[in-house]
Amino acid sequence: EADIYQTPRYLVIGTGKKITLECSQTMGHDKMYWYQQDPGMELHLIHYSYGVNSTEKGDLSSESTVSRIRTEHFPLTLESARPSHTSQYLCASSELGLAGVSNTGELFFGEGSRLTVL
Amino acid sequence: AQSVSQHNHHVILSEAASLELGCNYSYGGTVNLFWYVQYPGQHLQLLLKYFSGDPLVKGIKGFEAEFIKSKFSFNLRKPSVQWSDTAEYFCAVTPGGNAGNMLTFGGGTRLMVKP
Repeated sequence: EADIYQTPRYLVIGTGKKITLECSQTMGHDKMYWYQQDPGMELHLIHYSYGVNSTEKGDLSSESTVSRIRTEHFPLTLESARPSHTSQYLCASSELGLAGVSNTGELFFGEGSRLTVL
Repeated sequence: AQSVSQHNHHVILSEAASLELGCNYSYGGTVNLFWYVQYPGQHLQLLLKYFSGDPLVKGIKGFEAEFIKSKFSFNLRKPSVQWSDTAEYFCAVTPGGNAGNMLTFGGGTRLMVKP
């Protein structure tokens, strides 16, 4: 059972509002990720983090920002939401793996936050 | 960069039918391969994975997948599906070795099993 939580599960909001999607994990994982998934489409990595104070942009360009002040917490923020931001956002975490040793590669996912911007 | 193709977007089967979902990837080096499943209303979870060794891997709930390096494929199979297998299935790849967990996902296959 994965211990990674996302809130809110569903959010409907007007254009121009600032929103923050929360993601927390209790597994002590160093690596955390945000994926964006549109219906029927593949998951696209938009942000990831190797640990505290580490944030990197993923393959898909996104206007969102992330922060990693604590190991267990990896919130995603949109300063001014637009209809084009309507999507599902999935948070995930994994073990970092020791240098020179392959880690398991398994990601643990939260249940997702479905955002609708009107 | 690697990419993953899942050719079947929607599959409808009757219970007890056999299942094979295609997955092809493009990457020149060694890879780690995964199948994730998302049941309705639930989070994505790992179904099975291949890192090295026997190219036929077995996962949970009777699923298996075969890595065929020459075909860059990692197809998912199940001899007899059940209604409870209705879900969306995602194939994913990451570079092998210690290259981290930058998983690249396919577009997913939505499976519906009719009772």
